[in-house]
Amino acid sequence: NAGVTQTPKFQVLKTGQSMTLQCAQDMNHNSMYWYRQDPGMGLRLIYYSASEGTTDKGEVPNGYNVSRLNKREFSLRLESAAPSQTSVYFCASSERSLAGNTIYFGEGSWLTVV
Amino acid sequence: GQQLNQSPQSMFIQEGEDVSMNCTSSSIFNTWLWYKQEPGEGPVLLIALYKAGELTSNGRLTAQFGITRKDSFLNISASIPSDVGIYFCAGPTSGTYKYIFGTGTRLKVLA
Repeated sequence: NAGVTQTPKFQVLKTGQSMTLQCAQDMNHNSMYWYRQDPGMGLRLIYYSASEGTTDKGEVPNGYNVSRLNKREFSLRLESAAPSQTSVYFCASSERSLAGNTIYFGEGSWLTVV
Repeated sequence: GQQLNQSPQSMFIQEGEDVSMNCTSSSIFNTWLWYKQEPGEGPVLLIALYKAGELTSNGRLTAQFGITRKDSFLNISASIPSDVGIYFCAGPTSGTYKYIFGTGTRLKVLA
């Protein structure tokens, strides 16, 4: 059972390069999220997608773009990477059960911008 | 915007001790989630709470949804070395699917 799968797991970029982090979930969840986690810090929401076809900004959206390609996939793009974007990126998805919502995470993507 | 404050920020305890941590918000939450994160991994859901006053257990872990709906508590009984990690609270901001996270409580267990 894969759950939430992110690629790549590790990436080193030069300042100004672009890249896309891919995320897919196989749990048929409606909502998907991208978070970043800096050393010793909590998770900060970059963008989220409440449902297929919609995206919204989170707490720290500057420097990022997202695409909700279909219900399964939600990608995060860095158009011109900066050292401040060195972080661990987590994709997540959430279900809506009769009791309420829960959110599940991928294993993370470690990005270093030099 | 809404923030979640966790305390304590870190804890060093002896194996076998009980642990208590809490999470507070400046506004009402309808859901409280507790996660554990180990080094190099993503957060893993421990307990989900959906009703004010709800008390839910998962093994040695017990969490409570505060009756004011502005706080939640997590207790770990008889701690063991594998309890080491960072514990996060989380919840969706009012009327949205936008989940925000607390700053975390770092737990270290001394054998």
